[in-house]
Amino acid sequence: EAGVAQSPRYKIIEKRQSVAFWCNPISGHATLYWYQQILGQGPKLLIQFQNNGVVDDSQLPKDRFSAERLKGVDSTLKIQPAKLEDSAVYLCASSLGAGGTDTQYFGPGTRLTVL
Amino acid sequence: AQSVAQPEDQVNVAEGNPLTVKCTYSVSGNPYLFWYVQYPNRGLQFLLKYITGDNLVKGSYGFEAEFNKSQTSFHLKKPSALVSDSALYFCAVRDMENSGYSTLTFGKGTMLLVSP
Repeated sequence: EAGVAQSPRYKIIEKRQSVAFWCNPISGHATLYWYQQILGQGPKLLIQFQNNGVVDDSQLPKDRFSAERLKGVDSTLKIQPAKLEDSAVYLCASSLGAGGTDTQYFGPGTRLTVL
Repeated sequence: AQSVAQPEDQVNVAEGNPLTVKCTYSVSGNPYLFWYVQYPNRGLQFLLKYITGDNLVKGSYGFEAEFNKSQTSFHLKKPSALVSDSALYFCAVRDMENSGYSTLTFGKGTMLLVSP
């Protein structure tokens, strides 16, 4: 079974530029998550989708971050404009459902460096 | 609010010795608990989870974890460490009382270093 796919793996941009990350979840997984992992910290949830609807985006900085999951499969996370503090690894995860017992499976992540 | 504490930034152990990585949690209700491992430049890999039932949970790669409700702990253990176990380990919790769409909260991680 193929895992969660993410691209690109690495991205370096200047501050105030825009960037987009792509994620393709495990086939059949209805729930998709985007996390931000800053160096030395655990992952922090940015946004959670159930199929193509948003169920939690309370931690998403909506003035600069946006995400979509058209057709309820793959997803894109965008940052515009980027700030220095956005330097982090962006992890995508998926799970079969959204219940408390569902295991989240993670992709390899995209390491973003903002100069 | 739910939270996870991993009190050790780093754990050092010799190969062949038993290892323990500590985790304590705080939730308003009953917890769902998870352990993940992260190798360099890779995403998190699921090791094991506690949902209900037996307090000793067995997972991947010979790891196990013991749920202790009175001490609000979920320590990760392995009887005999391997050099290849060296990685960053994360404990995570979700509140069972609000499990419909509740957030999975992660600890800050513990680096495990196994020496030959």
